[in-house]
Amino acid sequence: GESVGLHLPTLSVQEGDNSIINCAYSNSASDYFIWYKQESGKGPQFIIDIRSNMDKRQGQRVTVLLNKTVKHLSLQIAATQPGDSAVYFCAETQGGKLSFGAGTTVTVRA
Amino acid sequence: EPEVTQTPSHQVTQMGQEVILRCVPISNHLYFYWYRQILGQKVEFLVSFYNNEISEKSEIFDDQFSVERPDGSNFTLKIRSTKLEDSAMYFCASSAGSQSGELFFGEGSRLTVL
Repeated sequence: GESVGLHLPTLSVQEGDNSIINCAYSNSASDYFIWYKQESGKGPQFIIDIRSNMDKRQGQRVTVLLNKTVKHLSLQIAATQPGDSAVYFCAETQGGKLSFGAGTTVTVRA
Repeated sequence: EPEVTQTPSHQVTQMGQEVILRCVPISNHLYFYWYRQILGQKVEFLVSFYNNEISEKSEIFDDQFSVERPDGSNFTLKIRSTKLEDSAMYFCASSAGSQSGELFFGEGSRLTVL
């Protein structure tokens, strides 16, 4: 069965608002949890990762939170912009193999 | 900025034909991967390659599939006898290390099997 998955397939966000994308996972042995962004017609693009022994990591306008107690991963995007419209995948890696979840399509409304 | 390049961008083939998809990974990377994405679905792992051999493969990567690094720059995926269900976007990726999840993906090769 799947080791990672996302709660909602779509998310519509007003430009300038914060976005929160959620993901549940089942493999407690994963080394890293990662968020990828895929724009239409392109390959996945790495956004941010978090090691399994951390609970929060911040990047530029993005924050990833890891709750190992409930096996939940989230991506927060601050001040969402039109260029953030894409499909977002959570993924987990164990021993170098990357496994993707199903994806959430984020649409930014002007 | 270094990038992973893939050719062809789109290939249409008849069922039963052999297909070779080509990739040029980022030059100082050591780990190479193929993933596929059926239209509207998630990205699925096919195979990882390191030190001139397969390090891991999925159940999708059966005897019809093979990978090769014929020279110092190219990394190829061959499908020996294509089936309709092989129609998908195939992504090549490379990484400098094997532990974190930071892979660099190419733009993909769309394979259509008729």
